[in-house]
Amino acid sequence: AQSVAQPEDQVNVAEGNPLTVKCTYSVSGNPYLFWYVQYPNRGLQFLLKYITGDNLVKGSYGFEAEFNKSQTSFHLKKPSALVSDSALYFCAVRDSSSGGYSTLTFGKGTMLLVSP
Amino acid sequence: SQTIHQWPATLVQPVGSPLSLECTVEGTSNPNLYWYRQAAGRGLQLLFYSVGIGQISSEVPQNLSASRPQDRQFILSSKKLLLSDSGFYLCAWSRDRGGGSNQPQHFGDGTRLSIL
Repeated sequence: AQSVAQPEDQVNVAEGNPLTVKCTYSVSGNPYLFWYVQYPNRGLQFLLKYITGDNLVKGSYGFEAEFNKSQTSFHLKKPSALVSDSALYFCAVRDSSSGGYSTLTFGKGTMLLVSP
Repeated sequence: SQTIHQWPATLVQPVGSPLSLECTVEGTSNPNLYWYRQAAGRGLQLLFYSVGIGQISSEVPQNLSASRPQDRQFILSSKKLLLSDSGFYLCAWSRDRGGGSNQPQHFGDGTRLSIL
C-alpha cells in the first residue's frame, strides 16, 4: 500500500526567507505525487503534482517541489516566503490499489507559519 | 470553469439525529466524487468515492452512507449520528473516470459538523 510521511508538524520561517516543507513517500510502482494547501475553515487547494518528467515541478503561488527518486522525497519549496503562505500543507500520493481510480492517500499535514 | 458547492457550511446536530450533507459540481460531466472527513487533528480520511450514478465505494465501515442520485450530486447521510461523527466533511471531484488518470482532486469548502 502507498503511504506518505510529513515528518514535521510545524515549520516556522521568517518572511522573505526560503521555505521547505518535507514529504517522503512509499509506493510499489511509479509515484504520482501531489501538494495541497488548506487555509482555516476552507477546503484543500491543489498546488502542484508530479507524474513524470522534470524533477522540479512548478505550481501555483510561486511554489515548486523537488522530486528525488533515490531519497523517495517530494519536498515543497518556495524561494521567498510570504506571511500569507501561512497555512496547512498536505502531501498526497495516488493510491493505485483503488482499482485504477485516483483515490489519494494524504499525509498528516504540516502547519507552515511565516512570521513578519 | 468548474465549481463545487457544499452545504450547509456549519451544522450542529444532537446525538441520534439524522444527517444529510449535499455536494454538487458544476461545469464538468462524469466526475469522480469523494467524501472525506477531517478530524480536529488535521488528517484526512477518505469515506466514500463514486465513479458514476449509483456507484459508491466505501473505504471505512461506519454509520455513514453515501448516494449519488445524479451525475454531479453526491450526498452523505446518516440515520443516527454519534458523537464521534463530529468533524469537518469535505467533498471533492476529479476529472478522471475509468481508471489510470492522474488528475488532481478539487475540494469544496466543507461542512463543519458538531454533534451535541
